Amino acid sequence: EDKVVQSPLSLVVHEGDTVTLNCSYEVTNFRSLLWYKQEKKAPTFLFMLTSSGIEKKSGRLSSILDKKELFSILNITATQTGDSAVYLCAVTSGTYKYIFGTGTRLKVLA
Amino acid sequence: GAGVSQSPSNKVTEKGKDVELRCDPISGHTALYWYRQSLGQGLEFLIYFQGNSAPDKSGLPSDRFSAERTGGSVSTLTIQRTQQEDSAVYLCASSTGTVGNTIYFGEGSWLTVV
Repeated sequence: EDKVVQSPLSLVVHEGDTVTLNCSYEVTNFRSLLWYKQEKKAPTFLFMLTSSGIEKKSGRLSSILDKKELFSILNITATQTGDSAVYLCAVTSGTYKYIFGTGTRLKVLA
Repeated sequence: GAGVSQSPSNKVTEKGKDVELRCDPISGHTALYWYRQSLGQGLEFLIYFQGNSAPDKSGLPSDRFSAERTGGSVSTLTIQRTQQEDSAVYLCASSTGTVGNTIYFGEGSWLTVV
């Protein structure tokens, strides 16, 4: 059965800290891995990763994929209170289905 | 439209009543998804539409749930005889339909069954 597991489930840090969120997966016929940020209702797209070892970067956020070990990490440096959200990881398995993890709830304290 | 549009944003209904949730996908997107997210839970796949193909309804939790997509664009998710366990955020998403591409979510419809 295809599955996506995220860790930790929740995390509390202080502003300025660096955090690393993990996403591991087991899917057949992997196509891509996506990261989303969910603050209130709608998840907003962050990154799509398809190739191993190539870092995607956007400001203080970066992500990398390891297709051999079947995981991805999302790094956030110099965290701000506005980074507080649930971070979702999703994997496509060669079909149209996007399998989501349960997310990591990040809270950044001022 | 510029983004995925959903309505209503919030809906409170009495147990046993029927509700309809609407989704207007991004213009030109052929693929449309409905997901459900209960409080503190991940996203649960409900149904998928792609062009004129038969939808994948495998995620619908019971026969009280149905969805249609008219003219390949707007979709309606209907929940009949609502139960308290149906309370959740119902998220719609769309994509170009190419496997593995990004899907874009609407703001969701928060359903509360009292």
